[in-house]
Amino acid sequence: AQSVTQLDSHVSVSEGTPVLLRCNYSSSYSPSLFWYVQHPNKGLQLLLKYTSAATLVKGINGFEAEFKKSETSFHLTKPSAHMSDAAEYFCVVRPIQGAQKLVFGQGTRLTINP
Amino acid sequence: EAGVAQSPRYKIIEKRQSVAFWCNPISGHATLYWYQQILGQGPKLLIQFQNNGVVDDSQLPKDRFSAERLKGVDSTLKIQPAKLEDSAVYLCASRLAGGVDNEQFFGPGTRLTVL
Repeated sequence: AQSVTQLDSHVSVSEGTPVLLRCNYSSSYSPSLFWYVQHPNKGLQLLLKYTSAATLVKGINGFEAEFKKSETSFHLTKPSAHMSDAAEYFCVVRPIQGAQKLVFGQGTRLTINP
Repeated sequence: EAGVAQSPRYKIIEKRQSVAFWCNPISGHATLYWYQQILGQGPKLLIQFQNNGVVDDSQLPKDRFSAERLKGVDSTLKIQPAKLEDSAVYLCASRLAGGVDNEQFFGPGTRLTVL
């Protein structure tokens, strides 16, 4: 079965420093991968998606992720953290090619220290 | 553009009681999803509708959960009777039909507490 593993349940960084949220996937074919963000009491919002085009994907709010097939990874990065980035982040895989079903990771809580 | 609307935002019930959640998707979105998000976990798909037909309900506990989308627009998710382990946030999402890469848009969710 296709799945994602988020390697850190909680990441804490200082404002202005880089952010790295790690995600590994399991898939028997080249998957579609996504990162979603969930702010408290708000709906999930799509940050970025990889669908077999460019391996470096740029998203909203300065985030980007790189698809590395050799490492089965899709880590999310941002050069400089902002206080407003504090939220829960989910790595997501679409397990069936061409289907619409999404499978979410467990989530990583990002805390930004002033 | 209005987003996905859900109500109520919060609900507290006792075990064995019944509860219903309502979702109004984005206008024109034919596909509608209900997810369950237990505290500390990622959302898990319960059921997917295409217009008023069910596409996938493989993870819906059908002995107590039911969902409908009678006119292909609004949807209702019901739990009867509720158990303690049903405490979670119930998320509704919608997307345009066709185009496998079309984005799913999520509502704010309904937080259910079962005592």
